[in-house]
Amino acid sequence: DTEVTQTPKHLVMGMTNKKSLKCEQHMGHRAMYWYKQKAKKPPELMFVYSYEKLSINESVPSRFSPECPNSSLLNLHLHALQPEDSALYLCASSQSSGGLNEQFFGPGTRLTVL
Amino acid sequence: GESVGLHLPTLSVQEGDNSIINCAYSNSASDYFIWYKQESGKGPQFIIDIRSNMDKRQGQRVTVLLNKTVKHLSLQIAATQPGDSAVYFCAESGVRGSNYKLTFGKGTLLTVNP
Repeated sequence: DTEVTQTPKHLVMGMTNKKSLKCEQHMGHRAMYWYKQKAKKPPELMFVYSYEKLSINESVPSRFSPECPNSSLLNLHLHALQPEDSALYLCASSQSSGGLNEQFFGPGTRLTVL
Repeated sequence: GESVGLHLPTLSVQEGDNSIINCAYSNSASDYFIWYKQESGKGPQFIIDIRSNMDKRQGQRVTVLLNKTVKHLSLQIAATQPGDSAVYFCAESGVRGSNYKLTFGKGTLLTVNP
């Protein structure tokens, strides 16, 4: 299985809602990532988990809360988001977080904040 | 190509022609480079990679060239097909701060005309 899956595919939420994005991989990868991608822009790194521990937080606002329950799962908890947080949220995984590792991307969750 | 403002660099080619997509990177310490293809509504898909100790690598219909002197990367696609239409991102992996990070270039929209 060489796939990263993400649910849901689309999500519409209000600014007072709490929701979660989910990501799963069964490639035995020990590094997992969250990226945010706005239209016509490249993906921007948000968080990196290495061996289920948060290793990088790119100064992301606290209304985004990542969680790595086990080596196959990665969640992104959303609370009190703003309309400007609307974007495609991509999950990726790699064998490790070292430099010479290809990252495999999921299809993304298209988030709209009203 | 470099983007200006919000506009994505574009390349339009005829089916069967060869395509060349260029990318400039910024971190001279980057030691691993990847080209990703992103179709509309999908996550980035790995095409080909190259390590900094190489200057050329070939795959099926694709070739990546790396010029470390001028920090330039290019992707050549032979006999371009309509299915190659997508946004292409180069990405560099290198140490930024104390962690390895994958940093994406601005992307180029390739349109293949039948």
